[in-house]
Amino acid sequence: KAGVTQTPRYLIKTRGQQVTLSCSPISGHRSVSWYQQTPGQGLQFLFEYFSETQRNKGNFPGRFSGRQFSNSRSEMNVSTLELGDSALYLCASSLSGDSNQPQHFGDGTRLSIL
Amino acid sequence: AQSVTQLGSHVSVSEGALVLLRCNYSSSVPPYLFWYVQYPNQGLQLLLKYTTGATLVKGINGFEAEFKKSETSFHLTKPSAHMSDAAEYFCAVSDEEAAGNKLTFGGGTRVLVKP
Repeated sequence: KAGVTQTPRYLIKTRGQQVTLSCSPISGHRSVSWYQQTPGQGLQFLFEYFSETQRNKGNFPGRFSGRQFSNSRSEMNVSTLELGDSALYLCASSLSGDSNQPQHFGDGTRLSIL
Repeated sequence: AQSVTQLGSHVSVSEGALVLLRCNYSSSVPPYLFWYVQYPNQGLQLLLKYTTGATLVKGINGFEAEFKKSETSFHLTKPSAHMSDAAEYFCAVSDEEAAGNKLTFGGGTRVLVKP
């Protein structure tokens, strides 16, 4: 069974640009979550989608947004990029998104802002 | 709000020695608990989880963890370290009462294994 796939693996952008990251969950998984990982702040929850609806949202500005498609694939978008947005962005999927279910992570997209 | 504390951002152990990584959580209700491992340039891999039932949980690669409600702890151990255990380890909790799946992570512990 294929794991969680994130594309692209690496991105370089400049301040003020916008970026879209993609995540394909494990087949059959309906919940997709996004996390930001930085050396200073660690792993922080961005948002979770289930059945195309955002069910949970972390404490991030409105520049960070996401969506989920009917096939459970998800994208996240960051607009007006800032230097501080440089991070590893991790996507995770789980079967139904119940809180007792483990999340399965992709290898991430490393975003660098110049 | 939940919080997770991992004592020690770096741990150095000799090959064959005990690995002990500490995790304490703060939650108004017993949460669900997870340990993940991250190797360089990779995502997180689930080592083990505690949801209900037996408080001593066995995971992959010889790791185990014990849930102690009275101490609000979920420490991770492995009797004998192997060179391949060098990685960063994260303790995480999710809220039983919250809808959906949101993990709160500790700051991580990087393990160095000395030959």
